[in-house]
Amino acid sequence: AQSVAQPEDQVNVAEGNPLTVKCTYSVSGNPYLFWYVQYPNRGLQFLLKYITGDNLVKGSYGFEAEFNKSQTSFHLKKPSALVSDSALYFCAVRQLNTGTASKLTFGTGTRLQVTL
Amino acid sequence: DAGVIQSPRHEVTEMGQEVTLRCKPISGHNSLFWYRQTMMRGLELLIYFNNNVPIDDSGMPEDRFSAKMPNASFSTLKIQPSEPRDSAVYFCASSRKSGTSGNYEQYFGPGTRLTVT
Repeated sequence: AQSVAQPEDQVNVAEGNPLTVKCTYSVSGNPYLFWYVQYPNRGLQFLLKYITGDNLVKGSYGFEAEFNKSQTSFHLKKPSALVSDSALYFCAVRQLNTGTASKLTFGTGTRLQVTL
Repeated sequence: DAGVIQSPRHEVTEMGQEVTLRCKPISGHNSLFWYRQTMMRGLELLIYFNNNVPIDDSGMPEDRFSAKMPNASFSTLKIQPSEPRDSAVYFCASSRKSGTSGNYEQYFGPGTRLTVT
């Protein structure tokens, strides 16, 4: 079975500082990994994904994530946080080549709070 | 593209009533997903379809819940009878069909906030 862990319920960062939102995963094979963001009263929005290739993936709004196979992690990062980045962030994983073709497993979410 | 469209955006109903939530996926997408989000349980996958066929409904909480996808551009999630514990935000999402790969991201609708009193 595949699973995702987001160990922090909330991350607090000052505007202008770098931010990291942590994610670790568990699958029996190679993973597809995704990050989504949810603003208040909105649906989830796709930020970025890792499929294969370069371990550093760049996405929307200046976010990036680094895939680390040995640590089974896919942490979300941004060099300089903005107040407007405050939102709920979800990590998701899908195992490559399974019978349940499309099913993503989402983490519990991490609330990012960026303050002035 | 208009994105995933859900209706209604808000629904308030009394316990025991039937509730129908509607979803129009993005044109050209072959996979459709229904999720439920609550503070207590987070984001839960209820059911998903590939090419209008239900593939996995193991997340459907009980027989009161049913979902259909009569064609590629429309799906419904029905709760009958509704109960207060069904109160949640229900999201529909769509993606290009993954087959045995899974690299296509899902696009979420704005959600339907359901309140059962």
